[in-house]
Amino acid sequence: NAGVTQTPKFQVLKTGQSMTLQCAQDMNHEYMSWYRQDPGMGLRLIHYSVGAGITDQGEVPNGYNVSRSTTEDFPLRLLSAAPSQTSVYFCASTAGTGNSPLHFGNGTRLTVT
Amino acid sequence: DAKTTQPNSMESNEEEPVHLPCNHSTISGTDYIHWYRQLPSQGPEYVIHGLTSNVNNRMASLAIAEDRKSSTLILHRATLRDAAVYYCILTYAGNMLTFGGGTRLMVKP
Repeated sequence: NAGVTQTPKFQVLKTGQSMTLQCAQDMNHEYMSWYRQDPGMGLRLIHYSVGAGITDQGEVPNGYNVSRSTTEDFPLRLLSAAPSQTSVYFCASTAGTGNSPLHFGNGTRLTVT
Repeated sequence: DAKTTQPNSMESNEEEPVHLPCNHSTISGTDYIHWYRQLPSQGPEYVIHGLTSNVNNRMASLAIAEDRKSSTLILHRATLRDAAVYYCILTYAGNMLTFGGGTRLMVKP
């Protein structure tokens, strides 16, 4: 039972490069989301999805794109990396409704130089 | 958007109960109250959640005020492994959750 799987665990990018952070869940959850966590801070919601083909912006969406072509996968794309995007990124999923807990992946630590 | 307010940090002695408070005065009637904790270098871990009634599970208890404007997470006997950042959060856009700064719990042996 893998739960929520994020890859890669670590990534270093140069300013201007693009990359995709992968997130997959095997719990058949409809709702998936991406958060970023800066040092010593709480998590901030970047984008979320309430089902395949449906995505929406969270609190800090600028510089990131998402798509949801399947229930299982919810990749996060950085179009042109900037040092301000250096952070730890967490993906989460939930069955939906406020009565269901969030399940988190182990995170991707991204450094942009 | 409903927001929560928590103390930045708290200290506890090992094997004593810990009460972690959370204020959420702008909570709406359908918002669930969730608690998560985060250990260093790990993703957040679900602890407990509730709507109106107090809740118990193997990890903790959740006491919700009658007016729902505040809640308290209760760890009955703190251990060193309970040292973490505890987040009290509410639902957003119906289902998503936004996190505040959390409370850093330190447990002294």
